[in-house]
Amino acid sequence: EVQLLESGGGLVQPGGSLRLSCAASGFAFSSYAMKWVRQAPGKGLEWVSSISGSGGSPYYADSVKGRFTISRDNSRSTLYLQMNSLRAEDTAVYYCAKVRVQGAIRNGLDYWGQGTLVTVSS
Amino acid sequence: DIVMTQSPDSLAVSLGERATINCKSSQSVLNSSNHKNYLAWYQQKPGQPPKMLIYWASTRESGVPDRFSGSGSGTDFTLTISSLQAEDVAVYYCQQYYSIPLTFGGGTKVEIK
Repeated sequence: EVQLLESGGGLVQPGGSLRLSCAASGFAFSSYAMKWVRQAPGKGLEWVSSISGSGGSPYYADSVKGRFTISRDNSRSTLYLQMNSLRAEDTAVYYCAKVRVQGAIRNGLDYWGQGTLVTVSS
Repeated sequence: DIVMTQSPDSLAVSLGERATINCKSSQSVLNSSNHKNYLAWYQQKPGQPPKMLIYWASTRESGVPDRFSGSGSGTDFTLTISSLQAEDVAVYYCQQYYSIPLTFGGGTKVEIK
């Protein structure tokens, strides 16, 4: 059974940093691209970042480029999102999600974690 | 960036009746080399993560009831729930994966009339 479990969210002051983790199980983690998607309270879905199965080809939304870094440790089946210089508008539930097709980076997202809440406030 | 526009923002449908949600992309998401539309539909119930219903615009994900169907090509797409059930109350999102940045529609809230 595929499982994705995010952690690392919490309350942080503007300008602060957090590192989110997503522990994956139930599939060949290194064979699948992964993504972070966020959802501000009461709002829609916003793609944040993508990474290929090998860890290459990172992509970022303009809203987080230069502040967030996506990475993965395939030996630990874990995806990360390092978030620096956090702003109030980064407040959201952050989901990690698995790309449906092995080896593809452009495809639907067939499994999602339950999400972790990041609140940026003084 | 490809802008995804969904309509309506919300709709109320009687149990057993048809629900239709539209999604329009600002540019084509059809890949001419493989004839596939790079579009997915998701269902999100309160307090839950999104769940993929449809990919390639019209292919139903495994386990998704056949009352859910997707159609369309190029820039205009539709998600249809043929006979609305109580458990279908949710917000539905379309998403293009044709190009970066990946973009989602604003969502359509489906309720029972």
